[in-house]
Amino acid sequence: DIHLTQSPSFLSASVGDRVTLTCRASQAISNYLAWLQQKPGKAPKLLIFAASSLQSGVPSRFSGSGSGTEFTLTISSLQPEDFATYYCQYLHTYPPRLTFGGGTKVELK
Amino acid sequence: QVQLQESGPGLVRPSETLSLTCTVSGGSVSSSGYYWAWIRQPPGKGLEWIGTIYHTGSTFYNSSLKSRVTISVDTSKSQFSLKLSSVTAADTAIYFCARLEVTISSTDWGQGSLVTVSS
Repeated sequence: DIHLTQSPSFLSASVGDRVTLTCRASQAISNYLAWLQQKPGKAPKLLIFAASSLQSGVPSRFSGSGSGTEFTLTISSLQPEDFATYYCQYLHTYPPRLTFGGGTKVELK
Repeated sequence: QVQLQESGPGLVRPSETLSLTCTVSGGSVSSSGYYWAWIRQPPGKGLEWIGTIYHTGSTFYNSSLKSRVTISVDTSKSQFSLKLSSVTAADTAIYFCARLEVTISSTDWGQGSLVTVSS
């Protein structure tokens, strides 16, 4: 089974900061990785799919990169509405099962 | 734009069966290229995949839950359902349904339904 490890688990940052979140896969997963944002009491929201493709409607300050085992999500200039928990997600093609990282909580410094 | 909505009891007694339904609108569960899944999240914890179904009825389950899970689909109602048997307090969670597009690792989520297991 593939495991996803996110780092850091917690990140304190200020509005306007550039932040980078990392997700490492235990085996190569090509670009089958997505990034989700979850705010308290809400469902996860897809930000990035296929490692680097921006979901429609998501601000361009979010970007994803990586392939194989190392992936990053970058927020170029943190906004107040970006304080949330971010999960990486691997969707195996067949059988179609999901694996999630443990999450990174981005908090206001 | 596809929308997914979970429905079902918010309280289930220990040892009983949890039952939830996901209604799909703005799209069809019969659409080729999409799978349909259940995911859960215990309060304050991370996300756990429960299982996936295709409109043909093919199912794929998390091995840790497989003995207690049944996922089914009703294409005539554009719904798919989850049954989890012999529940305990450890099954207390928000349960999400989702649409999966495997070719691009994309997921669309319902808003979630909190299920509490308690006597």
